[in-house]
Amino acid sequence: SYELTQPPSVSVSPGQTASITCSGDNLGHKYACWYQQRPGQSPVLVIYQDNKRPSGIPERFSGSNSGNTATLTISGTQAMDEADYYCQAWDSSTYYVFGTGTKVTVL
Amino acid sequence: EVQLVESGGGLVQPGGSLRLSCAASGFTFSNYEMNWVRQAPGKGLEWVSYISSGGSTVYYAGSVKGRFTISRGNAKNSLYLQMNSLRAEDTAVYYCARMKDTTLTAGFGGFDYWGQGTQVTVSS
Repeated sequence: SYELTQPPSVSVSPGQTASITCSGDNLGHKYACWYQQRPGQSPVLVIYQDNKRPSGIPERFSGSNSGNTATLTISGTQAMDEADYYCQAWDSSTYYVFGTGTKVTVL
Repeated sequence: EVQLVESGGGLVQPGGSLRLSCAASGFTFSNYEMNWVRQAPGKGLEWVSYISSGGSTVYYAGSVKGRFTISRGNAKNSLYLQMNSLRAEDTAVYYCARMKDTTLTAGFGGFDYWGQGTQVTVSS
């Protein structure tokens, strides 16, 4: 089965850049997307097809995907960005698999 | 405004059944692929099942295959999940989620709208 692995936690100071990685076999050959989930809320799509932002998502959210790793970057991190983040990709064996999730803490 | 509203959750004994519903509004439901995703207490997101826009193609996660059945009623703008032989490990918040339309760009585009979720608890 296909698996996506993320670091459990990432800490960042306000105004700095946070990078969250998502690792999977040949992930760069698939489309990756990213979700933000604040406590007690439903997930929100923040990046799709590696690097596209849905309408209403701030420009400080960006994405890339190459090799075995997709990366979500939050530039100029704000306190409101503190949340759990999940990557996701499609695989022919496991279908719509989610990553393990990363808790972003803004210190 | 796109809205997805789940219902049907509750407390059920191990081995029991539940049927979840998701009422969709604010978009042409019959044009969109749909999914169920769950999240166990304190855990991450787990994709559960997919159904194509017309209902002819369905996929399931290995953990629920043979026990859960996804369906849809396009005339009623509704998505369903029939859950049988429930186990303690099925305890979770269940979300319905719309697949993003990527007709112009092609390829998987993620789930662009989610409901608020419905709690399913399997316990004796």
